[in-house]
Amino acid sequence: EIVLTQSPATLSLSPGERATLSCRASQSVSSYLAWYRQKPGQAPRLLIYDASNRATGIPARFSGSGSGTDFTLTISSLEPEDFAVYFCQQRSTWPWTFGQGTTVEI
Amino acid sequence: QVQLQESGPGLVKPSETLSLTCTVSGGSVSGSYYWSWIRQPPGKGLEWLGYIYYSGNTNFNPSLKSRVTMSIDTSKKQFSLKLSSVTAADTAVYYCAASYIPVAGTLDYWGQGTLVTVSS
Repeated sequence: EIVLTQSPATLSLSPGERATLSCRASQSVSSYLAWYRQKPGQAPRLLIYDASNRATGIPARFSGSGSGTDFTLTISSLEPEDFAVYFCQQRSTWPWTFGQGTTVEI
Repeated sequence: QVQLQESGPGLVKPSETLSLTCTVSGGSVSGSYYWSWIRQPPGKGLEWLGYIYYSGNTNFNPSLKSRVTMSIDTSKKQFSLKLSSVTAADTAVYYCAASYIPVAGTLDYWGQGTLVTVSS
């Protein structure tokens, strides 16, 4: 199965700062990569699909880039609700798999 | 807007079968979505268990393939998960989720999740 490795494991930032999260795949997933945000005690929420497309209702401060094996999620200016765990996930090859997550903390 | 709600026992004994149901509201279970189960052990990452289409076609994660079954009842707008021979390693929050077929494998809608603990 395709292994997704996220870095860093934890990102310590302040509100208003820029966050850059990385996800590397063990083999090419083309552009079939999504990003989710998970707040404590909640289900994940889709932010970005197919590498760079914002999901419905997701604000413009979230952007995704990359293709093949290397992907980036950028949050241009952190809001209080953005301090959470972020997961990447590939849909290129079954079984669809998730990264282990990056925690964005204050 | 599709809404999903998991239901089922919160405690299952080792070696028994875990059974969960997901009820869909705000949309039909027929045609537009794959219906999935994902789990998350406490404090850990996410694992996709498998998915089912309204026709009954399924695809399961090979890591669990021999233990997992899924079914769907379109009249009740429900789909279900059964995981047999459970151990403590199956303790997790179980989510049902929906994946819009044109972008199959992207989880657009999630249930709130239900914690299932495997313990005697």
